[in-house]
Amino acid sequence: DAGVTQSPTHLIKTRGQQVTLRCSPISGHKSVSWYQQVLGQGPQFIFQYYEKEERGRGNFPDRFSARQFPNYSSELNVNALLLGDSALYLCASSSLTSSGNTIYFGEGSWLTVV
Amino acid sequence: GENVEQHPSTLSVQEGDSAVIKCTYSDSASNYFPWYKQELGKGPQLIIDIRSNVGEKKDQRIAVTLNKTAKHFSLHITETQPEDSAVYFCAASQGSSNTGKLIFGQGTTLQVKP
Repeated sequence: DAGVTQSPTHLIKTRGQQVTLRCSPISGHKSVSWYQQVLGQGPQFIFQYYEKEERGRGNFPDRFSARQFPNYSSELNVNALLLGDSALYLCASSSLTSSGNTIYFGEGSWLTVV
Repeated sequence: GENVEQHPSTLSVQEGDSAVIKCTYSDSASNYFPWYKQELGKGPQLIIDIRSNVGEKKDQRIAVTLNKTAKHFSLHITETQPEDSAVYFCAASQGSSNTGKLIFGQGTTLQVKP
């Protein structure tokens, strides 16, 4: 089975621009979460979506938004990019089982803002 | 807010030796504790996880222990190999694992010398 897939893998944007990152969860998984990982640090939670509804939001500004589609894929949008938004953006997929959630990550999208 | 402390930040061992990484967490409601291995330029790979209803879990050379009373959990890697070299992250769920939100430690860079 395919794992969590993300696109694009790398991209460069200019300050002030907007970016859209995409994620397809593991087949059968209905929950998608987004994380930001700055170089040298652990990932930080941005959003969780389950069954197309936002279930959680981390401490990020309103420039960050996301949505989940009927096929459970998801997009993360970041507006008015700042230099500090340069990071690895990770998508995580999970499926609630009788024993609880198990969370798997994709390879990420490397965003560089210049 | 909730946080996860991870130690040590760097760990160097000889091939064949054991490696231990320790984490503490603050959220008493956390019930899911995964460990991820992250290689350079890649996303975090789930290597083992433990839930609050068990104290220990083992998978070949990797084991994890959990002490809920003390809010400690640890990763043990035996018979280390050069390919175990990577950054390892511990994480704890914010509240129950159903939230999909993980709080990560700062990471441990493990170097296994041949």
